Amino acid sequence: EADIYQTPRYLVIGTGKKITLECSQTMGHDKMYWYQQDPGMELHLIHYSYGVNSTEKGDLSSESTVSRIRTEHFPLTLESARPSHTSQYLCASSGDISYEQYFGPGTRLTVT
Amino acid sequence: SQKIEQNSEALNIQEGKTATLTCNYTNYSPAYLQWYRQDPGRGPVFLLLIRENEKEKRKERLKVTFDTTLKQSLFHITASQPADSATYLCALRTNNAGNMLTFGGGTRLMVKP
Repeated sequence: EADIYQTPRYLVIGTGKKITLECSQTMGHDKMYWYQQDPGMELHLIHYSYGVNSTEKGDLSSESTVSRIRTEHFPLTLESARPSHTSQYLCASSGDISYEQYFGPGTRLTVT
Repeated sequence: SQKIEQNSEALNIQEGKTATLTCNYTNYSPAYLQWYRQDPGRGPVFLLLIRENEKEKRKERLKVTFDTTLKQSLFHITASQPADSATYLCALRTNNAGNMLTFGGGTRLMVKP
């Protein structure tokens, strides 16, 4: 079982609210990622980080922002949630030696 | 444009048979390819990695082949069990520095008892 955690697991929130999705890992990995996945669809990379104070946008444009102040923590923030943000958000990390990515359980976000 | 294709139709097989899933890609020259398993509502779980200079990799009942000329990987599960039912994703590394992966859409496997 990978040591990567996401909270909350499920979130239903109204339009216009600010939300932060939490992601933490205890493996000491430098590289962390956020993916967005709609039901039955492929994962799309929306943000990644090479280490502390490093953040980059991924292939899929997203209105969310991320921060990386500590190695173990990579939160994602939506300043003003909209129904179009309804999706599953998956956090992952990878080390320097092995190339596999370890995924958290995901946060299923519903914006009403 | 770069593309990773997996059969979007579900694969239904009988318990005990070998399941074979296909991953085709275009416009990539990946150093390696990975396979993940994803269960409904969960994050993907890493299964196997195969490098461009490897033709075949095995792990227990799993076998992966990698043909860089055909730009194709095949993923086999021998002696399949109902517990193997899940969606299987292939992924290619698309950025050397960040270990970034691009995922295919996955193939859903259903193993019937």
